[in-house]
Amino acid sequence: QLQLEESGPGLVRPSETLSLTCTVSGGSIVSDSYYWDWIRQSPGKGLEWVGNIYYTGSTNYNPSLKSRVTISVDRPKNQMSLRLTSVTAADTAVYYCARHQFSTSPFDYWGQGALVIVSS
Amino acid sequence: DIQMTQSPSSLSASVGARVTITCRASQNIATYLNWYQQKPGKAPKLLVYAASTLQSGVPARFSGSGSGTDFTLTISSLQPEDFATYFCQQSYGPPLSFGPGTKVDIK
Repeated sequence: QLQLEESGPGLVRPSETLSLTCTVSGGSIVSDSYYWDWIRQSPGKGLEWVGNIYYTGSTNYNPSLKSRVTISVDRPKNQMSLRLTSVTAADTAVYYCARHQFSTSPFDYWGQGALVIVSS
Repeated sequence: DIQMTQSPSSLSASVGARVTITCRASQNIATYLNWYQQKPGKAPKLLVYAASTLQSGVPARFSGSGSGTDFTLTISSLQPEDFATYFCQQSYGPPLSFGPGTKVDIK
């Protein structure tokens, strides 16, 4: 059974970099042909797709965040990472990692989510 | 970018009631429309994909319909475990986007 688990600091100071990791178990993040996504949810903006990385390593980002986001994969650890630079209070949200198979497929597996608060 | 809207934003209904939630896309997305259920403190759970295909394990009282820009999610007979927030999501093209949600609570 595929499982995704987000981890990382729960508190980040304004202007600093948010870093989260998604650990995948029960499946390979690089040998299976899936997209691995980051999605965030805040009270003010609802669910917002942040971006994804394909198993080949190609990435897609939400244009609203593109200048600040980097998604990468650590193959030996079977992990995906998110870096969001120059954070503000508007980046406070629950961050989920998720998976979908084709570009038009739904998100069929989700992690439990990680709350990140941006505050000094 | 494709904007998604939902109506109503919230509704109150009794157990056994028939509930219909509407989702509208700002442009034609064919049937690339998915529905999720979310309970407090939990991740969204996929219910329906490709507008009308029920995800494995989802009760048959849930159904989806629509194409183009207008879609509906119907719960034929609301059960206590169905009280939750429901989101639509378009998978037509990036940036992928979600509706604002419809909260279903007990009347």
